[in-house]
Amino acid sequence: AQKITQTQPGMFVQEKEAVTLDCTYDTSDPSYGLFWYKQPSSGEMIFLIYQGSYDQQNATEGRYSLNFQKARKSANLVISASQLGDSAMYFCAMREVAGGTSYGKLTFGQGTILTVHP
Amino acid sequence: NAGVTQTPKFQVLKTGQSMTLQCAQDMNHEYMSWYRQDPGMGLRLIHYSVGAGITDQGEVPNGYNVSRSTTEDFPLRLLSAAPSQTSVYFCASSYGKGSGELFFGEGSRLTVL
Repeated sequence: AQKITQTQPGMFVQEKEAVTLDCTYDTSDPSYGLFWYKQPSSGEMIFLIYQGSYDQQNATEGRYSLNFQKARKSANLVISASQLGDSAMYFCAMREVAGGTSYGKLTFGQGTILTVHP
Repeated sequence: NAGVTQTPKFQVLKTGQSMTLQCAQDMNHEYMSWYRQDPGMGLRLIHYSVGAGITDQGEVPNGYNVSRSTTEDFPLRLLSAAPSQTSVYFCASSYGKGSGELFFGEGSRLTVL
């Protein structure tokens, strides 16, 4: 079964508008972390934001926020005031803590391609 | 500050050839890992290491070998390349605390003919 599901292969947004990229996850581990990475057309992987399963508040980093709904097992990325430079592939990923060593081991979703129109 | 450095960035192999993708990090991270990226499948973990001398398999280890003789280096070896190994490969490293955010290299695009 997919542990990380990104159901939107592609999304379009107008410049300066907000956009939400969906991510649902599946785990029985009570302790886990959720990440979002951006991959522009140049190919590098850029870390955007992190949410721990025990964090009480939704994570925010500048124009990025993570809408964490634990009961629904969703961790959607919200980008406010979209810019042309936000056009990229976005990956949701999870690190499960149970079972011992988990650092370095992320499970990734399939990705969502975001296109920002001027 | 170099971060994670991968070489080569591009490589074309013939079926059956062997090669090594090099990865080095200068952040003194304990944890290092290799992922492959294929269209529609995200990134999948090949092998990872929790420290010098310790490695383990990830989700898709077949056809790949790794070793970790130093904290800094984590090479990925393809012993007999197959067309199914055509992919983009990423090396990553992380601290063993906090969020465990991965720091990625720039990627290596491998084509096996």
